Amino acid sequence: DAGVIQSPRHEVTEMGQEVTLRCKPISGHDYLFWYRQTMMRGLELLIYFNNNVPIDDSGMPEDRFSAKMPNASFSTLKIQPSEPRDSAVYFCASGLPNSPLHFGNGTRLTVT
Amino acid sequence: KQEVTQIPAALSVPEGENLVLNCSFTDSAIYNLQWFRQDPGKGLTSLLLIQSSQREQTSGRLNASLDKSSGRSTLYIAASQPGDSATYLCAVRRGTGGFKTIFGAGTRLFVKA
Repeated sequence: DAGVIQSPRHEVTEMGQEVTLRCKPISGHDYLFWYRQTMMRGLELLIYFNNNVPIDDSGMPEDRFSAKMPNASFSTLKIQPSEPRDSAVYFCASGLPNSPLHFGNGTRLTVT
Repeated sequence: KQEVTQIPAALSVPEGENLVLNCSFTDSAIYNLQWFRQDPGKGLTSLLLIQSSQREQTSGRLNASLDKSSGRSTLYIAASQPGDSATYLCAVRRGTGGFKTIFGAGTRLFVKA
């Protein structure tokens, strides 16, 4: 299994631009999570899906952030418009209820 | 609201020492607890998963314990090696109303050769 695949690995963009982060979960995993990691706040859960349905988006910082999961093998996290304070590493993870969470290698986002 | 705290925030030890990392959580109604390792610039790697009904799990030189009633877990690393240098995070999955998994801030471990 290739594991959780995220793209791009690095993204540098200017303030105000739209950013789209992508994730392919491990096949068969019915839970998908988006996390954001910063030095100041650590790992924060943004949103998670079960069977492609968003279950809890209470961690999404504001309306500029949106996430979709159109099918079991693909999810996106979009920021529009981006701001410098969105700079962070964004992780996608997938899992099953009684098994460990598996993380991707993350997308390092820099907004200038 | 579940809060997860890890102590110490950072730890530096000489090679060969046995060490204990601590994790505490405020809501004991958990489904399971997981310990992860994160190397600089990398994603998280799962080390051990303890279900709420279990007391401990072992993998090689690692042993994790869980005491739900007191809201504590420990990760014991035996005979530490320089390759163990990393950040160790614990994560608690809620027991009811969903699958939310909350992380502690981590313990940065440095093992000196």
